[in-house]
Amino acid sequence: GAGVSQSPSNKVTEKGKDVELRCDPISGHTALYWYRQRLGQGLEFLIYFQGNSAPDKSGLPSDRFSAERTGESVSTLTIQRTQQEDSAVYLCASSLGVNTEAFFGQGTRLTVV
Amino acid sequence: TQLLEQSPQFLSIQEGENLTVYCNSSSVFSSLQWYRQEPGEGPVLLVTVVTGGEVKKLKRLTFQFGDARKDSSLHITAAQPGDTGLYLCAGIGTGNQFYFGTGTSLTVIP
Repeated sequence: GAGVSQSPSNKVTEKGKDVELRCDPISGHTALYWYRQRLGQGLEFLIYFQGNSAPDKSGLPSDRFSAERTGESVSTLTIQRTQQEDSAVYLCASSLGVNTEAFFGQGTRLTVV
Repeated sequence: TQLLEQSPQFLSIQEGENLTVYCNSSSVFSSLQWYRQEPGEGPVLLVTVVTGGEVKKLKRLTFQFGDARKDSSLHITAAQPGDTGLYLCAGIGTGNQFYFGTGTSLTVIP
């Protein structure tokens, strides 16, 4: 498909386990963003990749969270030693550049039990 | 840190009523966008405003960007059940970083 793809769509994990969330951006989009959204809330910025520049990691809530991006392609968000407060929908978006539209995936709903 | 505050957080109105949603910040943005999100989906862009004082209209929706480019409003005329959703403003910083607002959950009752 031509849109942003995220996998898995749903993930249930036990407290203390590590999880990996994947995002496939739209081809050609140099910018990629990860956000966290709690139920009925706005989007909490996590991390931003722009081309070959160093990523903006200022939104990562703790050192248990990390993300990588391969070139201008796939990105993975890793949460180590998950906690119940990590339960949320994790949204990925990509965009072409300045003042352009952010295209979102459908998100990964993470539930930590 | 949440850079953009939206109000109200929740809004439930009858079909046919008018409403206004506000997006406020102490920061200046190069442009501001409004998105709408439906349950189980990612947000979808409604409009981008770039110039201070700019007003854009999309059918029954009117968007305004504040003169100082720190705030914005969304006005819906004669709301319909199909307008139900989560409305998010997003300020775009100088580095193409999107800063999203706290969101306004709108329910339009038939």
